[in-house]
Amino acid sequence: EIVLTQSPATLSLSPGERATLSCRASQSVSSYLAWYQQKPGQAPRLLIYDASNRATGIPARFSGSGSGTDFTLTISSLEPEDFAVYYCQQRSNWPPATFGQGTRLEIK
Amino acid sequence: EVQLVESGGGLVQPGRSLRLSCETSGFTFSNYWMNWVRQAPGKGLEWVANIKQDGSETYYVDSVKGRFTISRDNAKNSLYLQMNNLRAEDTAVYYCARGMIIAANWFDPWGQGNLVTVSS
Repeated sequence: EIVLTQSPATLSLSPGERATLSCRASQSVSSYLAWYQQKPGQAPRLLIYDASNRATGIPARFSGSGSGTDFTLTISSLEPEDFAVYYCQQRSNWPPATFGQGTRLEIK
Repeated sequence: EVQLVESGGGLVQPGRSLRLSCETSGFTFSNYWMNWVRQAPGKGLEWVANIKQDGSETYYVDSVKGRFTISRDNAKNSLYLQMNNLRAEDTAVYYCARGMIIAANWFDPWGQGNLVTVSS
């Protein structure tokens, strides 16, 4: 089973700042990595798939990069609604599809 | 508008059974893989199971193999999860999630979730 490790666990930033979230896989997942956003009391929402493709309706301030074992989600300029928990997920080697433990993005 | 609405959750004693349903609308259900993903209280996400468009293939996370069964009824645009021999560690919000056309295991969108609590 592929293990995904996200860092940092918590990221404290202010609106307007740039956010950089990391996800490292225990073995190569090629480009088969996705990012999800989850707000309190809500279901997750797909942001990025195949490492760098934005899902339908996702603003351009969200971007993904990386391949192999190291991936990054970047939010270029934080909006108030971006403060949430972010999860990475791989589908390279399934079952099972696995998720990282999450990064909480909080307002500084 | 694509909609997925789960139902059937609640409080159940250890060892008992429960069946979750996910009613869908707004898309051609029979064209998509479907998934169940769960989230224990205050914890992260765990993929549970998925099923191919015609029901001919199903896959499970090891922790539920032999206890849970995923199924679908394409005529009713509905997905199901039969959960038997429930354990305390199965306590979670259960989400149904559609796979993408290009990849069964990218989950988009998700239902609102349904809480299952296993406790005596």
